Amino acid sequence: ETGVTQSPTHLIKTRGQQVTLRCSSQSGHNTVSWYQQALGQGPQFIFQYYREEENGRGNFPPRFSGLQFPNYSSELNVNALELDDSALYLCASSTPYNEQFFGPGTRLTVL
Amino acid sequence: EDQVTQSPEALRLQEGESSSLNCSYTVSGLRGLFWYRQDPGKGPEFLFTLYSAGEEKEKERLKATLTKKESFLHITAPKPEDSATYLCAVQASGGRDDKIIFGKGTRLHILP
Repeated sequence: ETGVTQSPTHLIKTRGQQVTLRCSSQSGHNTVSWYQQALGQGPQFIFQYYREEENGRGNFPPRFSGLQFPNYSSELNVNALELDDSALYLCASSTPYNEQFFGPGTRLTVL
Repeated sequence: EDQVTQSPEALRLQEGESSSLNCSYTVSGLRGLFWYRQDPGKGPEFLFTLYSAGEEKEKERLKATLTKKESFLHITAPKPEDSATYLCAVQASGGRDDKIIFGKGTRLHILP
């Protein structure tokens, strides 16, 4: 157990809808990162937040957005869902030494 | 372009047969290289962080090493429970912003 939790575990949406995924980080971890992992691929970096501000972003369009809250929780929002957004979404919180601890992920299916 | 390449894609070993997994990288401003283990349907599990060429870290049957161009994960006398996908990632500094780039992973299967 890493202490990082994600909800929901699974989610089914239709194309064009919006979705919010949630993550609760370990206490004291000020950095949270979000990843998208397609089947058989490595995780793709979406963005990273440090003390409630975005401080790193991968090659994802603006319809992927996030928030980090003072209580170590965070959200990933995806608007205008596309079929290719179907994937496992992972949240990771980091120690000050850059050790990342991942949650179990949310499996998103877009129909 | 920043890139991380892992090889081989898949590896089958007999129990006790030692081997190495490779992670080669091309990145500007390397801040750290990470190894993770991922079991099916689960999030990656942190194994090691390496910061500079020549650094080595060990944990049980695993040993990670780093050069300026690549990292190796050596597995000594593996057991069936070591079967998993092993992921390599690099943290690159892009000025104000950091980014983290993962390889596609090596699927390791240890046969009893």
